[in-house]
Amino acid sequence: QQQVKQSPQSLIVQKGGISIINCAYENTAFDYFPWYQQFPGKGPALLIAIRPDVSEKKEGRFTISFNKSAKQFSLHIMDSQPGDSATYFCAASSPGNTPLVFGKGTRLSVIA
Amino acid sequence: KAGVTQTPRYLIKTRGQQVTLSCSPISGHRSVSWYQQTPGQGLQFLFEYFSETQRNKGNFPGRFSGRQFSNSRSEMNVSTLELGDSALYLCASSLAASGGTTDTQYFGPGTRLTVL
Repeated sequence: QQQVKQSPQSLIVQKGGISIINCAYENTAFDYFPWYQQFPGKGPALLIAIRPDVSEKKEGRFTISFNKSAKQFSLHIMDSQPGDSATYFCAASSPGNTPLVFGKGTRLSVIA
Repeated sequence: KAGVTQTPRYLIKTRGQQVTLSCSPISGHRSVSWYQQTPGQGLQFLFEYFSETQRNKGNFPGRFSGRQFSNSRSEMNVSTLELGDSALYLCASSLAASGGTTDTQYFGPGTRLTVL
């Protein structure tokens, strides 16, 4: 059972455009929602994370939007750059000593 | 501060063999988690060790095992390798100061295992 569903699988965006990746979850106990960025040959690196007490969090060009009632959260990358081309994973975890559950990833390509 | 290191980076084995992968966490981090990454299944949690004890376990067969040493370094072992075990194995460490897994996890570069 896939607990976090991520879409799209792949995304092509023009340089300067907005990249949007969506995730949906079922487990209402989840209370921590990070996004990871992975470049080829590297391990995933934390990009930005949110907790359900806020609906939006922004760090530079990266924004997480969170909709608790819809059980959805999304990553927006403003002014996308070729250097943003990577695979992005959403994840979620519930309180206590529980492991992260990852979405299957979105391969983003930003073309000039 | 040095990041998470994993050795070896690449490994080729044949079916039926066993393999041991090593992970050195960031200095001061007490929690080490292991994940299997494949194109079809994405990142799947294997197990987590905290203070030398397995604290969480994913849904993998008993052929997959691990341990953690007193210096927080961790190893995972896969016995009787199958073709389907070919994957990138990632290790992640966290401070786990609060005892919960919402601490940021820092990933190593992974070990690429190919089973022939």
